[in-house]
Amino acid sequence: DQQVKQNSPSLSVQEGRISILNCDYTNSMFDYFLWYKKYPAEGPTFLISISSIKDKNEDGRFTVFLNKSAKHLSLHIVPSQPGDSAVYFCAASDRGGSNYKLTFGKGTLLTVNP
Amino acid sequence: GAGVSQSPSNKVTEKGKDVELRCDPISGHTALYWYRQSLGQGLEFLIYFQGNSAPDKSGLPSDRFSAERTGGSVSTLTIQRTQQEDSAVYLCASSPSPGLSQPQHFGDGTRLSIL
Repeated sequence: DQQVKQNSPSLSVQEGRISILNCDYTNSMFDYFLWYKKYPAEGPTFLISISSIKDKNEDGRFTVFLNKSAKHLSLHIVPSQPGDSAVYFCAASDRGGSNYKLTFGKGTLLTVNP
Repeated sequence: GAGVSQSPSNKVTEKGKDVELRCDPISGHTALYWYRQSLGQGLEFLIYFQGNSAPDKSGLPSDRFSAERTGGSVSTLTIQRTQQEDSAVYLCASSPSPGLSQPQHFGDGTRLSIL
């Protein structure tokens, strides 16, 4: 039973345009969400996070939006660059249950075309 | 600065053999995690070490899997009597303190292939 779902295995966008990566979750106890980026043969690197008390968090070109009622979050990358091409993982945590355990989605492969 | 180091980077072994995977966390990081990523899947939590506390082993898939962390630093993940379904990338991560206030830093993983 997948508690974190990334329903798009892949996404292709043109350089300079917006990339929108989506993530849905089923566990209403999740209260902290993170996005990680992964290049081939490397470990994931942390991008941005959001607490459930917020609905938006921004860091440079990256913005994460959280819609708690829909149990949905999205990562926006504006403008997209070829170096953003990677697999993006959404992860969630129930900090009340465990303040360290993350549940990951399967990832979305983003390709940014020059 | 040195990141999380994992060895070997690749391991191919025959079914039934034991394997040992190693993780050197970032110096000073007290929290250490092991994850597994099977083909086409997300990262699956395996085990968590924090300082001298008893580890959280709730993610280990079977009793063939074990892990230890000596001296609060280096960790080894051991898989006994390997099966083909154990084939995956095994990732180690560390963070400066427990909890999610500090993001986890991942190593590049060990790609394990069971023939």
